[in-house]
Parts: sequence; C-alpha cells; structure tokens
Amino acid sequence: KAGVTQTPRYLIKTRGQQVTLSCSPISGHRSVSWYQQTPGQGLQFLFEYFSETQRNKGNFPGRFSGRQFSNSRSEMNVSTLELGDSALYLCASSPFGGAGANVLTFGAGSRLTVL
Amino acid sequence: QQQVKQSPQSLIVQKGGISIINCAYENTAFDYFPWYQQFPGKGPALLIAIRPDVSEKKEGRFTISFNKSAKQFSLHIMDSQPGDSATYFCAASTTGNTPLVFGKGTRLSVIA
Repeated sequence: KAGVTQTPRYLIKTRGQQVTLSCSPISGHRSVSWYQQTPGQGLQFLFEYFSETQRNKGNFPGRFSGRQFSNSRSEMNVSTLELGDSALYLCASSPFGGAGANVLTFGAGSRLTVL
Repeated sequence: QQQVKQSPQSLIVQKGGISIINCAYENTAFDYFPWYQQFPGKGPALLIAIRPDVSEKKEGRFTISFNKSAKQFSLHIMDSQPGDSATYFCAASTTGNTPLVFGKGTRLSVIA
C-alpha cells in the first residue's frame, strides 16, 4: 500500500514568488492535513480538508491556501513568499474527517527554502 | 499560546538506559494523546497513543504514562538503542473535528 506522497521534495524560491505543493494521500483516505515544521516552532497546523471541503484552519495568514480535489489529492499554495516561510511542509492523511481523533500518516515533506 | 509543552528539547542517553520525555497540556478537553517519532529526512510516524481512561499504555519498549489531574503525560523508552535516536513529538487533540496540537519536539540521541 503506497504511503503519502509529497512533491516536490525540495525547492528553492525567492521572496515575493509563489509556490504550490502537492500531496497524494493513501488510497481510500479522505482527510488531508497540512503542517508547517520549523526548528523553532515544531509542527504547526495549517489546514485540513475532507471531501474537498476545508474543515479546520490554523492561525496562518491568508497567503497560505489549499484545496482538495475529488480524488482526495491536495495542494497548498503560498503566495508572496517571505524568508520566514522557509520550512518543511508536511502533509498527512487519515481515513476520516476530524483528523485529531485518528491516526495521521505523514508524507516525507516538501522542504521549501526562500532566499 | 502553546497548548502542549514538551521537555526536554534534547536528550542524550546511554545505550540500554531509559529515555524519558515529558509533556504538559492546558486544555482539559483533550482526550487523545499520541506520540510521533521522526527520523531525519522522514515525516513523523505514529509510535503509541493513549486516551485518558487509562493511566499507562505499553507497547514493547515504549510506555506512555498519563496523569490526568496534573495534565501531564510522558514517554518512557526502556533499554534505549542507537536506532531510537530520532526526534519525538507529543501531541493532543479532542475527539471530533479538531486538529492535533504538537509539542515542539525532543531530539533523542542514544550513544553506545
């Protein structure tokens, strides 16, 4: 059974640019959550999607957005990149909505560096 | 406001020793407490989880101890091995449509 796949694994952008990250959940999983991981802040919740609907949103500015497609694949977008956006972006999937009550399976992450 | 406080930030343990990582939470509505293990270059993976109706859960060398009145829970790794060297995250959530809240992580190094 394939795990959670995130692409790209590594990318470098400059300030002001935008970036789109992709996540393919485990087959059959309908919930996708996104987290930002940085050395100083640990894992911070960005948003969760279930059946193409955003169910939860973390405390991030509107530059961070996401969506989920009918096949449960998800994308997140960060516009007008800032240096502080440099981080590992993790996607996690679970079988049901309400990801907090279920086992989250994480992908390996997309490492974003903003110069 | 950090809802789950984890300590220590880093930990060095001799091979065969006991590793102990502690977490404290504030929200009394939390009722699900998992621990995740993350190796370099990998995403976090669920290690063990507990709900507040029990005070301890053991899986192999890994044990969660839970103290509801103190709002604290801890991970004990018995007979620590170099292969256990990783970053460990505690987390908490309420049942239902709420996201997991993570501690900031503990980097464990097990030395021979």
